[in-house]
Amino acid sequence: KQEVTQIPAALSVPEGENLVLNCSFTDSAIYNLQWFRQDPGKGLTSLLLIQSSQREQTSGRLNASLDKSSGRSTLYIAASQPGDSATYLCAVIGGAQKLVFGQGTRLTINP
Amino acid sequence: DTAVSQTPKYLVTQMGNDKSIKCEQNLGHDTMYWYKQDSKKFLKIMFSYNNKELIINETVPNRFSPKSPDKAHLNLHINSLELGDSAVYFCASSQDTPDTQYFGPGTRLTVL
Repeated sequence: KQEVTQIPAALSVPEGENLVLNCSFTDSAIYNLQWFRQDPGKGLTSLLLIQSSQREQTSGRLNASLDKSSGRSTLYIAASQPGDSATYLCAVIGGAQKLVFGQGTRLTINP
Repeated sequence: DTAVSQTPKYLVTQMGNDKSIKCEQNLGHDTMYWYKQDSKKFLKIMFSYNNKELIINETVPNRFSPKSPDKAHLNLHINSLELGDSAVYFCASSQDTPDTQYFGPGTRLTVL
């Protein structure tokens, strides 16, 4: 059974810092890994999708890496801004064709 | 031009009632999903439909019944509501199962 873990559960950093969010999964047989953002009281917004054959994906100040063999992914946020404050969720799709989520990292960027 | 919409946004009801949540997507996607986010913010899939056909049915009580009248709509009907059903329910869609999923804004269900 696939399990996804995100560390840390919460993170607070000053504006302008670079930061890394971590995600690990127990079953390396995945199709892809996705990073989402959830704002309070809102739905999820897809940030990046990494196919199992890829090592990383970039979108603006965001860079996500994937090491499938070790069951790890990181989301790197450069030059953080207060608007980046949100909960970040990692999720994987495997053979069961369903998205399995981690519990998220609640990120606060302090002005 | 909302991509995935849900109604209602909030739903407060008494135990034992029957309620429905509607979901519509205008992205032309073939696959739609229902997720439940509990009080600890943990998101878990409940159902998945592809072209109106049920493909994922997680271990949820049979009081929950999804209905897909066409591939743009996936509604969730809940019978005999219980306190433990209180949660935020999210609808999502994707072109195919392993593709990027687009989520609706969620429906916060409170059972009193």
